[in-house]
Amino acid sequence: AQKITQTQPGMFVQEKEAVTLDCTYDTSDQSYGLFWYKQPSSGEMIFLIYQGSYDEQNATEGRYSLNFQKARKSANLVISASQLGDSAMYFCAMREDRTMNRDDKIIFGKGTRLHILP
Amino acid sequence: DSGVTQTPKHLITATGQRVTLRCSPRSGDLSVYWYQQSLDQGLQFLIQYYNGEERAKGNILERFSAQQFPDLHSELNLSSLELGDSALYFCASSTLAGVRTGELFFGEGSRLTVL
Repeated sequence: AQKITQTQPGMFVQEKEAVTLDCTYDTSDQSYGLFWYKQPSSGEMIFLIYQGSYDEQNATEGRYSLNFQKARKSANLVISASQLGDSAMYFCAMREDRTMNRDDKIIFGKGTRLHILP
Repeated sequence: DSGVTQTPKHLITATGQRVTLRCSPRSGDLSVYWYQQSLDQGLQFLIQYYNGEERAKGNILERFSAQQFPDLHSELNLSSLELGDSALYFCASSTLAGVRTGELFFGEGSRLTVL
């Protein structure tokens, strides 16, 4: 069963507008972590932001924030004041805490390709 | 530069062949992950090692195997290759603390083309 769902295969946004990239997840664990990665056209994977399931406040890193709604199992990435350089593929990912099984699997969604228009 | 080195960067081979992809993690990172990225499938988790031990397994085919050596470098072996194995194979490394916060450091990937 797919555990990370990104429903937007592609998005076009005008420069300087805010962007919300959707991510929903499925887990029965109480403890887990959620992350976002950026993959520009050059191909490298860049870590953006982390949210722990017990964190009470939404994570923020510069222009990135993670809109964490635990009851809805959603972890949307918000990019404020988008820039041309934000054009990339964005992946949502999750790690379930299986410390008893020493399982540190980190799984990714299929991604959303974001295009920023000048 | 993430500090993770993957070789080769590009590889073209024929169906039925066997290849080995190599990954050198960042200095001090004990955890190594392997992912497969195909066009429409995002990043598929294959396998994770921690300090030489297999720690987590994903949808890794039986034709694929991996190991992490005492010097912490890792190899992913792909055998009886099929056209559908053509993909970008990423290695990522992290500390245990980094795994908890999801901060993996990815290599540039090895692009495998099976003809």
